[in-house]
Amino acid sequence: DAGVIQSPRHEVTEMGQEVTLRCKPISGHNSLFWYRQTMMRGLELLIYFNNNVPIDDSGMPEDRFSAKMPNASFSTLKIQPSEPRDSAVYFCASSLASANNEQFFGPGTRLTVL
Amino acid sequence: AQSVTQLDSHVSVSEGTPVLLRCNYSSSYSPSLFWYVQHPNKGLQLLLKYTSAATLVKGINGFEAEFKKSETSFHLTKPSAHMSDAAEYFCVVKDSSYKLIFGSGTRLLVRP
Repeated sequence: DAGVIQSPRHEVTEMGQEVTLRCKPISGHNSLFWYRQTMMRGLELLIYFNNNVPIDDSGMPEDRFSAKMPNASFSTLKIQPSEPRDSAVYFCASSLASANNEQFFGPGTRLTVL
Repeated sequence: AQSVTQLDSHVSVSEGTPVLLRCNYSSSYSPSLFWYVQHPNKGLQLLLKYTSAATLVKGINGFEAEFKKSETSFHLTKPSAHMSDAAEYFCVVKDSSYKLIFGSGTRLLVRP
């Protein structure tokens, strides 16, 4: 298996632009997570999907952020409009939905908003 | 609420010497605890996990951790550091069936 796939790996954009980050989870996994990593706040869970349904979006910072999972093999995280403070590394992770199953992380997307 | 505290932001060791990365947790019930490693510009990789079975947990690359309930600790150790161990290490507690709470991380430097 190729593991969790994220694209793009790096994104540089200007303030006010729309940004879309993409994730393909490991085949067969039914849980998907989006995390954000910053120096100031460390790793934070943004949103959690189970069987393509958003279960917990309490970590989504504000209405500029939205996430979708139209099918079991694809998810997007969109920021519109983007702001410089959104600059971070965004990780996608997937797992089998069981209490003790580990989450497998993708390589991340490094977002820079100028 | 669950939480973890990583006691050292940076640890520096010489190659071939032991590694100790310290982690304390706070939990209202028997926790699930993990150590993840992040190499530069890479994603996070699971090193090992504790889920209320054996208190001494062996992981990949020669790492192990011991769950000590009396001390609320889950320190990560390795007998002999290798240059390739240089990375950032995260102690993690599971807050629910899915939510991971990450520590602030410890950056391990390995001197030749």
